[in-house]
Amino acid sequence: GQSLEQPSEVTAVEGAIVQINCTYQTSGFYGLSWYQQHDGGAPTFLSYNALDGLEETGRFSSFLSRSDSYGYLLLQELQMKDSASYFCAVRDQDDYKLSFGAGTTVTVRA
Amino acid sequence: DTGVSQDPRHKITKRGQNVTFRCDPISEHNRLYWYRQTLGQGPEFLTYFQNEAQLEKSRLLSDRFSAERPKGSFSTLEIQRTEQGDSAMYLCASTSTSGVSSYNEQFFGPGTRLTVL
Repeated sequence: GQSLEQPSEVTAVEGAIVQINCTYQTSGFYGLSWYQQHDGGAPTFLSYNALDGLEETGRFSSFLSRSDSYGYLLLQELQMKDSASYFCAVRDQDDYKLSFGAGTTVTVRA
Repeated sequence: DTGVSQDPRHKITKRGQNVTFRCDPISEHNRLYWYRQTLGQGPEFLTYFQNEAQLEKSRLLSDRFSAERPKGSFSTLEIQRTEQGDSAMYLCASTSTSGVSSYNEQFFGPGTRLTVL
């Protein structure tokens, strides 16, 4: 089976930096994705890492270490609109099926 | 708006009734997924289709659940004899396995929130 662990909640102020860690145990591994979900909304794709290293997309960056079965999402220059749940998800087979973590609720305060 | 639509957005039903949900994926996407999400949890995989073929079903999908994608376009998810434990958000997602670089991205619909009384 698959197991993903991430913190349940993080609170930070506007302009701060937040790092959301994700550790996983899966039978196979193709890549780690991150999704954002606002209250009442659909999950939306943020990033995908298949190889070790850091991927940067604007204010958000994602990191993967395959040897450590670990990744993180880095949110910089936090804005109020970044208040949402963030999910890591593992693609463990060649069928693009995703296994999601329980999510991290990020609350941005003024 | 991701381009994936689901109908209805909300469904309230009584225990024991049957319900059916519809998902319209992005038209060129050949893969369609169904997930279930309960409060405070991430989406859980239920089943997926490649074109019209249902390729995998999760053990979460009991015999009361059935899904179809008859022409490889829209999909339906039916729950028979609903139970209170079926109350959840049912999410549909689609992706393409060919061509564009975003094939690792799944595009989610807004979901159907089911409440079983």
